[in-house]
Amino acid sequence: DGGITQSPKYLFRKEGQNVTLSCEQNLNHDAMYWYRQDPGQGLRLIYYSQIVNDFQKGDIAEGYSVSREKKESFPLTVTSAQKNPTAFYLCATGTGSNYEQYFGPGTRLTVT
Amino acid sequence: GESVGLHLPTLSVQEGDNSIINCAYSNSASDYFIWYKQESGKGPQFIIDIRSNMDKRQGQRVTVLLNKTVKHLSLQIAATQPGDSAVYFCAENTINNNDMRFGAGTRLTVKP
Repeated sequence: DGGITQSPKYLFRKEGQNVTLSCEQNLNHDAMYWYRQDPGQGLRLIYYSQIVNDFQKGDIAEGYSVSREKKESFPLTVTSAQKNPTAFYLCATGTGSNYEQYFGPGTRLTVT
Repeated sequence: GESVGLHLPTLSVQEGDNSIINCAYSNSASDYFIWYKQESGKGPQFIIDIRSNMDKRQGQRVTVLLNKTVKHLSLQIAATQPGDSAVYFCAENTINNNDMRFGAGTRLTVKP
């Protein structure tokens, strides 16, 4: 985890509500990523950002939005358009000079 | 704690035995590979990496083997301990491509 904070650890929302997941890092890494993890599946990339004020869609961006106004922060909003939002969400950072990604502790979102 | 990967392949070993976890990767152009360890309810932790110009790399109690001919990666854990119980998954990436791909993982259980 060290240096990457995701809060809260557990989040509960009613269907139809937007919810924003926080990701903060003090590693001074340029790149930040959001992944979704579902049982029995590998991590799937939602969005990534390689530099402040720029971000790109990943494989499953529909129903999600992000912003990258500061290097340290990359919040993810799960909108009501996301059809199956209940999942474990992982934020990661990377230096860009190598390919290792460093993960936060994750947020478990449950939508009912 | 929460369960990640309810239907993952599983490997059960006795404490002190060696463990071998396998991964088949998909992209023959991938040139960088990582093994991650994920404990229940936590974010993945880096274990060891290997570049495609190597066949083998050793760390502390862990060894990664890469067979590019059959696109196969393995993680060997020596003298497995109860603290090694977790989900292990591999990831692959290519140079200049911000596209890390993750396997679904294998659940390792170490019996005392």
